[in-house]
Amino acid sequence: AQSVSQHNHHVILSEAASLELGCNYSYGGTVNLFWYVQYPGQHLQLLLKYFSGDPLVKGIKGFEAEFIKSKFSFNLRKPSVQWSDTAEYFCAVIGSGYSTLTFGKGTMLLVSP
Amino acid sequence: ETGVTQTPRHLVMGMTNKKSLKCEQHLGHNAMYWYKQSAKKPLELMFVYNFKEQTENNSVPSRFSPECPNSSHLFLHLHTLQPEDSALYLCASSQEPVSYNEQFFGPGTRLTVL
Repeated sequence: AQSVSQHNHHVILSEAASLELGCNYSYGGTVNLFWYVQYPGQHLQLLLKYFSGDPLVKGIKGFEAEFIKSKFSFNLRKPSVQWSDTAEYFCAVIGSGYSTLTFGKGTMLLVSP
Repeated sequence: ETGVTQTPRHLVMGMTNKKSLKCEQHLGHNAMYWYKQSAKKPLELMFVYNFKEQTENNSVPSRFSPECPNSSHLFLHLHTLQPEDSALYLCASSQEPVSYNEQFFGPGTRLTVL
C-alpha cells in the first residue's frame, strides 16, 4: 500500500524566512509525487509535480521540491516566504501500480508579516 | 478557477434529510473523483469514475451514493448522515485515472450534519 507522512502539522515563519516542509512516502516501486496548496477559502491547486528526470523540480510561486529516492522523500522548499504563502500544503503520491492519489495530512503554514 | 465547479458551497442538513452535492467539470476530462476532507486527517478518496463507470469505492458507507450521468457531471447523494460526516467534500477530475495525470479540484462543499 502507498502512504504519505508529513512531519509538521503547523509551521509558523516570519516573512523572508526559508521554508522546508517534509514529506516521506511509503511505496516500493516507481512513484509520481505532488505538492498541492490550499489557500484560505480556495480550492486545492497543484504547486509542482515529479514524474521522472531531474529530481529537483520547480513549481509556481518560487517553490521547489527535491525527490530523494533513497530517503523516500519529496521535501518542499522556498528560500524566502511571503505573507501570501499562508496556506495548507499537501504532499501526495501515486505509485505505478495505482490509479489514485494518496495524500498526507497536510501542513498548515502561517507566515507573519 | 480550475474548471471544476461544485454546488452548493455550503450545506447544513439534519440526520434525516436527503440532499445532493453536484460537481461539474469543463475540462473535457474522463475521470472524476469524490474526496472527503476532515480536520486533521488526510484527504480520503471516496469514489472514482472513469468514462461514467465507477472504478473505485473506497469502503464508503451506503448513506453516500454517487451518480455519474456523463463524464462532465458527478453527484453525491446523501441520506441519513451522521454528525461525523461533517466535512469538506471535494470533487476532482483528470484526463484519466492514471498515475501521470494531474487532478484538478473544485472548491468543495462544506457539509455540516446536525
